[in-house]
Amino acid sequence: DVVLTQSPLSLPVTLGQPASISCRSSQSLLYSDGNTYLNWFQQRPGQSPRRLIYKVSTRDSGVPDRFSGSGSGTDFTLKISSVEAEDVGVYYCVQGTHWPPVTFGQGTKVEIK
Amino acid sequence: QVQLVESGGGVVQPGRSLRLSCIVSGFAFSNYAMHWVRQAPGKGLEWVAVIWFDGSKEYYADSVKGRFTISRDNSNSTLFLQMNSLRAEDTALYFCARGSCSSSACYPSNYWGQGTLVTVSS
Repeated sequence: DVVLTQSPLSLPVTLGQPASISCRSSQSLLYSDGNTYLNWFQQRPGQSPRRLIYKVSTRDSGVPDRFSGSGSGTDFTLKISSVEAEDVGVYYCVQGTHWPPVTFGQGTKVEIK
Repeated sequence: QVQLVESGGGVVQPGRSLRLSCIVSGFAFSNYAMHWVRQAPGKGLEWVAVIWFDGSKEYYADSVKGRFTISRDNSNSTLFLQMNSLRAEDTALYFCARGSCSSSACYPSNYWGQGTLVTVSS
């Protein structure tokens, strides 16, 4: 099974400052069709997960442009250009290239300093 | 407006069974694969199972294979998860989620329910 390793697991950030979360995969997530099926989800406290980014870098509808995704192969990054209070929560990378199973990273908890 | 509403959770003794439901509205249920994903208290997300749009294919996490069965009723836009031989480690909030699945890739997409809590305890 593909293992996704996120770092850091806890990320205290100052409002208005940038934040970056890394997700490393135990195998390349590039599929033979040329796509890389690595997504990012946000889970705010007490809420269901919400997808932010799919296929590495495409933002879902309604997702603020301060969120961006990048990477290739086995190394991926989610960046928040300027953290706002509503960004508090846990962020997960998820891969759908080598399935089953679909696998999630451990989650990174973003909190305000 | 897309809605996914799970039900059927509760407190159950180890070894017993429970059936979860997820009623969907707001999109063409029969066109999409559907997932179950769970979250143990204070823990991360764990994928449980997926069923193809027409029910022709099912896939499971090793942790539930042979004990859980995913199914669907497209005429009533409802997804099910039959959970047998429940264990303490199955205690979790169970989410249903619309899938984005093809022959090449499969993962939960952007529509999730609020979850239903299953507690396995004697």
